[in-house]
Amino acid sequence: DQQVKQNSPSLSVQEGRISILNCDYTNSMFDYFLWYKKYPAEGPTFLISISSIKDKNEDGRFTVFLNKSAKHLSLHIVPSQPGDSAVYFCAASPNAGGTSYGKLTFGQGTILTVHP
Amino acid sequence: DAGITQSPRHKVTETGTPVTLRCHQTENHRYMYWYRQDPGHGLRLIHYSYGVKDTDKGEVSDGYSVSRSKTEDFLLTLESATSSQTSVYFCAIRADGADTQYFGPGTRLTVL
Repeated sequence: DQQVKQNSPSLSVQEGRISILNCDYTNSMFDYFLWYKKYPAEGPTFLISISSIKDKNEDGRFTVFLNKSAKHLSLHIVPSQPGDSAVYFCAASPNAGGTSYGKLTFGQGTILTVHP
Repeated sequence: DAGITQSPRHKVTETGTPVTLRCHQTENHRYMYWYRQDPGHGLRLIHYSYGVKDTDKGEVSDGYSVSRSKTEDFLLTLESATSSQTSVYFCAIRADGADTQYFGPGTRLTVL
């Protein structure tokens, strides 16, 4: 049972345009969400996160939107750059604030390719 | 970058042999995690630790054991490796009270 799903295995965009990566979840207990970026042969790198008490969090070119009623979150990258080409994973945790063991459930990942 | 190292970075072994992967941190974080990454599955939690000698199972723990005798080291052992355990293994750490896990560079394990 895949509790966190990224239904698009890949996404291709032109440099300067917007990249939108999507993630859906089924477990209503999830209330903290993170996005990680991963380059080949490296470990995942934390990108941005959002708590369920918010519907938007922004950090430079990266914005995460959370729609709790739809159990859906998205990552927007504007403008996209060739260096953003990587695998993007969304992850969910049942507790914000580090009050639990902080176990993460990951989606399958989306390969983003940004063309010059 | 969080001070996390994993060793070895690459290993090829044969079915039935024992294998131990090491995760070492210099951050003194309380929580440590082992994940495996496979195509189509993302990252899946194998075991985690919430303190020295305190460990518990994750989603895909069958065939794996762990030990944590010191804060800085978290060992993952495959008692008798199988081809289905061919994967990339990542260690992660998290500070007490924090929300974010930080990952090591990974170990690519091939079981022939």
